[in-house]
Amino acid sequence: GAVVSQHPSRVICKSGTSVKIECRSLDFQATTMFWYRQFPKQSLMLMATSNEGSKATYEQGVEKDKFLINHASLTLSTLTVTSAHPEDSSFYICSAAGTSGVYEQYFGPGTRLTVT
Amino acid sequence: GEDVEQSLFLSVREGDSSVINCTYTDSSSTYLYWYKQEPGAGLQLLTYIFSNMDMKQDQRLTVLLNKKDKHLSLRIADTQTGDSAIYFCAEKNFGNEKLTFGTGTRLTIIP
Repeated sequence: GAVVSQHPSRVICKSGTSVKIECRSLDFQATTMFWYRQFPKQSLMLMATSNEGSKATYEQGVEKDKFLINHASLTLSTLTVTSAHPEDSSFYICSAAGTSGVYEQYFGPGTRLTVT
Repeated sequence: GEDVEQSLFLSVREGDSSVINCTYTDSSSTYLYWYKQEPGAGLQLLTYIFSNMDMKQDQRLTVLLNKKDKHLSLRIADTQTGDSAIYFCAEKNFGNEKLTFGTGTRLTIIP
């Protein structure tokens, strides 16, 4: 099956700094990538949808200036958490969708962000 | 908006069958999915079903869809310790890229 990687898998940063998370589709071209946030013992919350070469579409309540998303190529999307605060600590998961006839999203392994 | 509900917990003895249930509200759902999430990991797609199907079987997994009642279930036969995880159902409409996830069901296997 299709493989999606995320880097880093775990990151600890100080309050006020920015953190970049990468999401790569390793063996297919992802026309659309999604970024989710998951709080402990909760479901996934969609943050934004990005299509290669265009601006991301953010869900209601998600600050686009705080969570910068770049989808520069068909295999790479990045999420930058700017001026991170402890409340941004969470598990961030990306997914990628290709161009197959049956629509499937393939998920990355997630990135655990802790802001101190 | 769409709403997808699951019971939060399920405990099953090893070797028995597990049945995880899901209800959804959007009658225009086209694809319905089951994902598995192990601790600290991303989501693994287990199986999916189109809304015009009633049942799909894939090895130990059986998906049943009652479109009239908007009820989806996942049956895992001969449940093993490796099946311990959180299981999410999700739905999607044709023409809409987004998935709507359920709350997740934590499956615990009793030895």
